[in-house]
Amino acid sequence: DIQMTQSPSTLSASVGDRVTITCRASQSISNWLAWYQQKPGKAPKLLIYDASSLESGVPSRFSGSGSGTDFTLTISSLQPDDFATYYCQQYPGAFGQGTKVEIK
Amino acid sequence: EVQLVESGGGLVQPGGSLRLSCAASGFTFSSYSMNWVRQAPGKGLEWVSYISTSSSVIYYADSVKGRFTISRDNARNSLYLQMNSLRVEDTAVYYCARALHSSGSIPPRFWGQGTLVTVSS
Repeated sequence: DIQMTQSPSTLSASVGDRVTITCRASQSISNWLAWYQQKPGKAPKLLIYDASSLESGVPSRFSGSGSGTDFTLTISSLQPDDFATYYCQQYPGAFGQGTKVEIK
Repeated sequence: EVQLVESGGGLVQPGGSLRLSCAASGFTFSSYSMNWVRQAPGKGLEWVSYISTSSSVIYYADSVKGRFTISRDNARNSLYLQMNSLRVEDTAVYYCARALHSSGSIPPRFWGQGTLVTVSS
């Protein structure tokens, strides 16, 4: 099975900061990579698919890049609503372990 | 409006079995691949299984392979997960999730509210 490794596990940031989360696959997954946001008690929300395509309705401050084994999610200017846990996923298959974005 | 409603969760003893169902509405169920994803209390997301539109392609996570069986009934707009030989570590909220597109990009996009499975003696 393909393993997905995210870093960091926790990230402390302030409103307005540029935030980057990385995700590495144990083998090439082409661009079959998605990013999700999850808030406590809620189902995950799809942000990015095919590594860099923005899901409809998701703010443009979210962007994704990468292919093969190395991927990044960038939030260009962190907003109060963005404090949450973020997961990458190679589909269909494993999720990363998650990155919790906390208020600094 | 896409709706996914899971049912069948509950308390079961280790070694027991449970069958989860997911009732789909608001879209042409037979046109979309489906997934089961679980989340243990306070833990991260864990993908469990995937099934293609015609059930011809099925995948499982290593952690459930040989114990869980995914299936679908397109005539009944329903997705299922038969869970056998349950372990304490299978305790989680189980979500069914629909693919984003009917072809091409298939990351889970629409999610149910989840059903809690508790494995405990």
